[in-house]
Amino acid sequence: EADIYQTPRYLVIGTGKKITLECSQTMGHDKMYWYQQDPGMELHLIHYSYGVNSTEKGDLSSESTVSRIRTEHFPLTLESARPSHTSQYLCASSSLGQGSEQYFGPGTRLTVT
Amino acid sequence: GDSVTQMEGPVTLSEEACLTINCTYTATGYPSLFWYVQYPGEGLQLLLKATKADDKGSNKGFEATYRKETTSFHLEKGSVQVSDSAVYFCALTTYSGNTPLVFGKGTRLSVIA
Repeated sequence: EADIYQTPRYLVIGTGKKITLECSQTMGHDKMYWYQQDPGMELHLIHYSYGVNSTEKGDLSSESTVSRIRTEHFPLTLESARPSHTSQYLCASSSLGQGSEQYFGPGTRLTVT
Repeated sequence: GDSVTQMEGPVTLSEEACLTINCTYTATGYPSLFWYVQYPGEGLQLLLKATKADDKGSNKGFEATYRKETTSFHLEKGSVQVSDSAVYFCALTTYSGNTPLVFGKGTRLSVIA
């Protein structure tokens, strides 16, 4: 059973607000990821990290930022939420090395009004 | 770049029908291949994987064989159940293991009693 947690599970917030989506894992994984999942189900990689103090942008420019100060924690911040940010956000982690599967959290469903 | 193409859904089957979801890939080197499943309201979870040519991954009655000659990793199940209704994602990671998973767009399966 994977131990990766996301909070909150659901969030409704007004335009212009700053929000942070939390993601934590207890598996000691070095690699962590954030995905945005659109209603058509497709996953878009928005940020990833290979370890503490390492962050990279993914394929989708989401106007968000991440930090990796601790191995187990990888929060995602939206400085100013917009309705276009309404989506499902999935966090994942994996160990280093070929063939390592990613473990996913349950997701945060964000609605920006 | 690396890519995964899987059949578009939705796929609707009657209980006990046979399932095949096609997946083909393009990759440099020798990728590891995965199938993930996403049940309603949840994150993704690993269903099965294969790390080298001719390997067969299997789990919960599902199977997929890594076919290097046809660059394919089709998901099959001989008799589906209502509880198999979910979205299925094919994915790959390249040999170095230091790149995020590349996902297909997902195939929604609905099984009716």
